[in-house]
Amino acid sequence: GAVVSQHPSRVICKSGTSVKIECRSLDFQATTMFWYRQFPKQSLMLMATSNEGSKATYEQGVEKDKFLINHASLTLSTLTVTSAHPEDSSFYICSARAPHRGEEKLFFGSGTQLSVL
Amino acid sequence: GESVGLHLPTLSVQEGDNSIINCAYSNSASDYFIWYKQESGKGPQFIIDIRSNMDKRQGQRVTVLLNKTVKHLSLQIAATQPGDSAVYFCAENAAGNKLTFGGGTRVLVKP
Repeated sequence: GAVVSQHPSRVICKSGTSVKIECRSLDFQATTMFWYRQFPKQSLMLMATSNEGSKATYEQGVEKDKFLINHASLTLSTLTVTSAHPEDSSFYICSARAPHRGEEKLFFGSGTQLSVL
Repeated sequence: GESVGLHLPTLSVQEGDNSIINCAYSNSASDYFIWYKQESGKGPQFIIDIRSNMDKRQGQRVTVLLNKTVKHLSLQIAATQPGDSAVYFCAENAAGNKLTFGGGTRVLVKP
């Protein structure tokens, strides 16, 4: 299947700092990527849809100024958690489809565990 | 549906037995469904998918059943192995071509 690479896998930061998470499609081009957040023992919740060359679409209740998404190329989307606070500690996961390969399903990155102290 | 609460339902199964994981989905307009497996600290891994014009699909050791009448999806794992221990999520392709995840079920395989 298609490969989605996410980096870093784990990050610990101080409250008030910003953290950038990268999501790359390694063997296909992704015009659309998705960012999810997952709290312990809970399901994945869609945060936003990242569109190459245009603004991201955020789900209701997700602060766009806090979670900055940039999709500057067909293989890279970034999520920046600005002024992170302990309540932002969570598992962040990106995903993408590879429709040109006949793949309708989403392929997921390995996730980033963010811990804000 | 959305996940609520602080714990996942758990299915304990003896190694070698069959497992059945159930999921109720919310949107009657959803036309595509997927089962994912997630191991601790990792991203979801695709298991099997099914379109709404089908009611059953089989893969290697896995079978997905879809009942659109009651909006119910199930995943059957044959001859469950220790490596099957994980959390399993169903997902539905909802409006706007976005994937919405169900609450998840933890499968524990006992040797």
